[in-house]
This record gives sequence, structure tokens and C-alpha cells, in this order.
Amino acid sequence: KAGVTQTPRYLIKTRGQQVTLSCSPISGHRSVSWYQQTPGQGLQFLFEYFSETQRNKGNFPGRFSGRQFSNSRSEMNVSTLELGDSALYLCASSWTGGNNSPLHFGNGTRLTVT
Amino acid sequence: DAKTTQPNSMESNEEEPVHLPCNHSTISGTDYIHWYRQLPSQGPEYVIHGLTSNVNNRMASLAIAEDRKSSTLILHRATLRDAAVYYCILRGAGGTSYGKLTFGQGTILTVHP
Repeated sequence: KAGVTQTPRYLIKTRGQQVTLSCSPISGHRSVSWYQQTPGQGLQFLFEYFSETQRNKGNFPGRFSGRQFSNSRSEMNVSTLELGDSALYLCASSWTGGNNSPLHFGNGTRLTVT
Repeated sequence: DAKTTQPNSMESNEEEPVHLPCNHSTISGTDYIHWYRQLPSQGPEYVIHGLTSNVNNRMASLAIAEDRKSSTLILHRATLRDAAVYYCILRGAGGTSYGKLTFGQGTILTVHP
């Protein structure tokens, strides 16, 4: 079974631009979560989607948004990029997203903002 | 989510068992104990999870104390590929836990050949 696929693997953007990252979950998984990983803050939860609805959200500004499609694929968008948005962005999928449902991560999209 | 405490680092020799401890004294009755690991340049990888009983899978075993205030991840025969940061995470029930893992500092495991 294919794992979680994230595209692109690497991205370089300029301050003020916007970016869209894509995530294809494991087949059958309906929950998709997004995380940001930086050396200073570690892994931080951004938001979770299930059946095209955002069910949970972390403490990030409104510049960070996402959506999920009917096939469970998800996209994350960051608008008005700042230097501090440079990070590894990770997507994870699970059957239900509940506390008894393990998360399976992709290998991330490395975003560099210059 | 309730807090967990792990040692900053541990070392092991290849082919020896490794016991990674985790304390979670404020665990609630509905919290599941999850373990993930992260190898360099990769996303976190699910290892194992459990609620009350000990659990085994192809990767590891999870031993949960009777009072649930601590747990131990057991790698039966460490390999060089097991060198990673290991995270012990509690996941509560309810809407605020959907899709969410709260990562602490984890334990850096070094495996010597």
C-alpha cells in the first residue's frame, strides 16, 4: 500500500508570495493533518481535516489555511509568506484521526522563504 | 494533552535490547499512549500505541505500568536503523485531539555498531 505522498519535496519562495502544498493520504484514510517543523519550535500541529471539514486547529495565524477534497487529498496554503515560515511541512493521514488511530506521515515539503 | 517526561538521550549497542522510558503521571483514563520516532530527514514514523494492556507489534513492544503513570518502549534487538528521536505522546479523547500529536523533546537514541 502506498504511503502518504507530499508534493513538491522542495520549494523556494520570496517574502510576500503565497504557496500551496499538496498531500495524498494513504488509501482509505479520511483524516489528514498538517504539521510545521522548525529547529526552534519543533513539530507543531497546524490543522486537521476529515470528510472535507476542518475539525481541529492549532495556534497559527489565518495566513495558514487548508482544504480537503472528496477523495481525501488535502492542500495547505500559506499566504503573504514571511521568513519565519521557512520550515519542513509535514502531512499525516489516519483512518479516523481519533486518539486510537495512529498517524502516518509523509516525508514533508521543505519550504524556504527568501 | 497531558505531559510526558523522557530522558534526553540514551545509547545502546547493536543487537542488544533497548528500553526507552516515559513518565506520564497526569494521564487520564481515556488517554492513549503513542510512540513515534523520527529518523534524520524523514517524517515521524508510527511505532506503537496502547491504552492499558501491553502491546506487541513487528517493530517493538509497549509495556504499560499497572497505574498507567509510566510506560516503556522496548526494541528487542537494536539495529543501526533504529537510531532516531523517539517521542512518547499522550492522546486524549474528544475534538481537540483529532489528528493532533503534541511532540515534546523526545529521546535521542544512539546505536553503536
